[in-house]
Amino acid sequence: KAGVTQTPRYLIKTRGQQVTLSCSPISGHRSVSWYQQTPGQGLQFLFEYFSETQRNKGNFPGRFSGRQFSNSRSEMNVSTLELGDSALYLCASSFIGVKDTEAFFGQGTRLTVV
Amino acid sequence: DAKTTQPPSMDCAEGRAANLPCNHSTISGNEYVYWYRQIHSQGPQYIIHGLKNNETNEMASLIITEDRKSSTLILPHATLRDTAVYYCIVRVGDSLNNAGNMLTFGGGTRLMVKP
Repeated sequence: KAGVTQTPRYLIKTRGQQVTLSCSPISGHRSVSWYQQTPGQGLQFLFEYFSETQRNKGNFPGRFSGRQFSNSRSEMNVSTLELGDSALYLCASSFIGVKDTEAFFGQGTRLTVV
Repeated sequence: DAKTTQPPSMDCAEGRAANLPCNHSTISGNEYVYWYRQIHSQGPQYIIHGLKNNETNEMASLIITEDRKSSTLILPHATLRDTAVYYCIVRVGDSLNNAGNMLTFGGGTRLMVKP
């Protein structure tokens, strides 16, 4: 079974630009979560989408947004990029249920803002 | 989700068992203990999880104390490829009706397996 696919793997953008990252979850998984990883702050939760609705949101400014499509694929967008947005952005997909479920992560998109 | 405490780093000799501890003294009755690991610059990889019973899979064993306030991840025969940061996370298991799939990562334990 194919894993979580994130595109692109690497990206270089200039301050002030905007960027869109894509995540294709494992087939059958309807929950997609996004995380930001930086050396200083570690792994931080950005938001989660389930059935095309944002269900949880972390403590990030409104420049960070996302959406989920009917096929469960998700995109996240960062507008007005700042140098501090340079990070590894990770997407995780999960099956949703009333019992324990695990999240499966993609390889991430490494964003560099110059 | 409950906070976890892990040692920042540990060393282990190749071929020996690696025992990674985690304290989660404020864990609630409906919270599971999950372990993930992250090999340099890759996405975190799920290892194992449990509620109160000990668990074993092809990767590792998870030992949870009877009061559930701490747990130990055991890699029975560590190899160089097990060098990674290991994260212990506690979270509610019901992802449909509760907090969904938000994972709160701490600093983890950097395990170095040495030849």
